[in-house]
Amino acid sequence: AQKVTQAQTEISVVEKEDVTLDCVYETRDTTYYLFWYKQPPSGELVFLIRRNSFDEQNEISGRYSWNFQKSTSSFNFTITASQVVDSAVYFCALTAPYNQGGKLIFGQGTELSVKP
Amino acid sequence: GAVVSQHPSRVICKSGTSVKIECRSLDFQATTMFWYRQFPKQSLMLMATSNEGSKATYEQGVEKDKFLINHASLTLSTLTVTSAHPEDSSFYICSAKGQGFSYEQYFGPGTRLTVT
Repeated sequence: AQKVTQAQTEISVVEKEDVTLDCVYETRDTTYYLFWYKQPPSGELVFLIRRNSFDEQNEISGRYSWNFQKSTSSFNFTITASQVVDSAVYFCALTAPYNQGGKLIFGQGTELSVKP
Repeated sequence: GAVVSQHPSRVICKSGTSVKIECRSLDFQATTMFWYRQFPKQSLMLMATSNEGSKATYEQGVEKDKFLINHASLTLSTLTVTSAHPEDSSFYICSAKGQGFSYEQYFGPGTRLTVT
């Protein structure tokens, strides 16, 4: 069975602090993809990143960075110098394209609040 | 990038009535569409997977007679909530996947349903 766990339900930081959102996943598939999405109060999901299971390179995009470690089945997301506009719910998700039609399994989400 | 629209964005209906939500892929052909439901402060839960021209596959615990899904064309899927009750009030999000093997799902902006 596939599962995604985001243990942090809510995180509150002050602007300019760095914050890391944790994501741990479980899957028996050898080919899978991991995603991070941002959901602002409007509700629309915003795609942030996709990683496949064969690419463990860390990625940096502006203030965002991701650390993928297969050894610990984790795909953590760090925001550097957080800003108020980063306040949102962040979801980690997993899909195994060869299995079950490629449906996405979402974690519980982490609500990030960045205070000025 | 690929665009998915949903209509309506918000709908209020009376208990016992039915309401239809449309999901359209605007610039690509979607062989598979997914319907998710999200209750406040919760994650997205997959309700069903619909493939063009065939019956939808429902997740365990989702009543197929209550949530009717039709995927009659490669650009349109509809979700009809029949005999709606207040507990059906939720945020409904669709996503669409293109032809052939693809891990990419493109999400619609969501529909907020309120049943009074």
